[in-house]
Amino acid sequence: AQKITQTQPGMFVQEKEAVTLDCTYDTSDPSYGLFWYKQPSSGEMIFLIYQGSYDQQNATEGRYSLNFQKARKSANLVISASQLGDSAMYFCAMREGRRAGSYQLTFGKGTKLSVIP
Amino acid sequence: EPEVTQTPSHQVTQMGQEVILRCVPISNHLYFYWYRQILGQKVEFLVSFYNNEISEKSEIFDDQFSVERPDGSNFTLKIRSTKLEDSAMYFCASIREDRFNEKLFFGSGTQLSVL
Repeated sequence: AQKITQTQPGMFVQEKEAVTLDCTYDTSDPSYGLFWYKQPSSGEMIFLIYQGSYDQQNATEGRYSLNFQKARKSANLVISASQLGDSAMYFCAMREGRRAGSYQLTFGKGTKLSVIP
Repeated sequence: EPEVTQTPSHQVTQMGQEVILRCVPISNHLYFYWYRQILGQKVEFLVSFYNNEISEKSEIFDDQFSVERPDGSNFTLKIRSTKLEDSAMYFCASIREDRFNEKLFFGSGTQLSVL
């Protein structure tokens, strides 16, 4: 079974609108962390936002927020007020409670977001 | 803000050749990682390195791969005899402490093309 599932291969959003990118995860470990990364066409992986499994509140970083629904095992990324520069691939990733020194992130297949002017 | 740097940004090599990818982690970081991303696919973990030894590696990281920290600043990934399927973007990353909520920041990547 996939540990991270991103069901939207591609999404379109109008500039200045909000958009939600879906991510569901599968783990039996009570300790885990969820991440979102942005990959523009230039190829680098840019960290956006992090949510820990024990965090009581949804994470926010500027225009990015994470809609964390633990019971549903979903960690959707919300981008408010989309900008043309938001056009990129977006990856959801998870770190499970493994032993120290092993920062093994499991990534989803990504969602390609296109912002329309 | 300090960042992880990788060189070269692009590397082209012939099948069967050895290649070394270089990374300079953030200076006070202690844990180092390599990930790779084959074109159009998800990012995959290769190896983690701490205290001058490998702490974990994936199935991908076979005998053709090795890592070392030769001089206290660089962190290298060597592929001994490259294969066509090694063509990918290789990302280096580092963290200072292995706290669970430590965020993993990647370098800008090296695009390896094996011909």
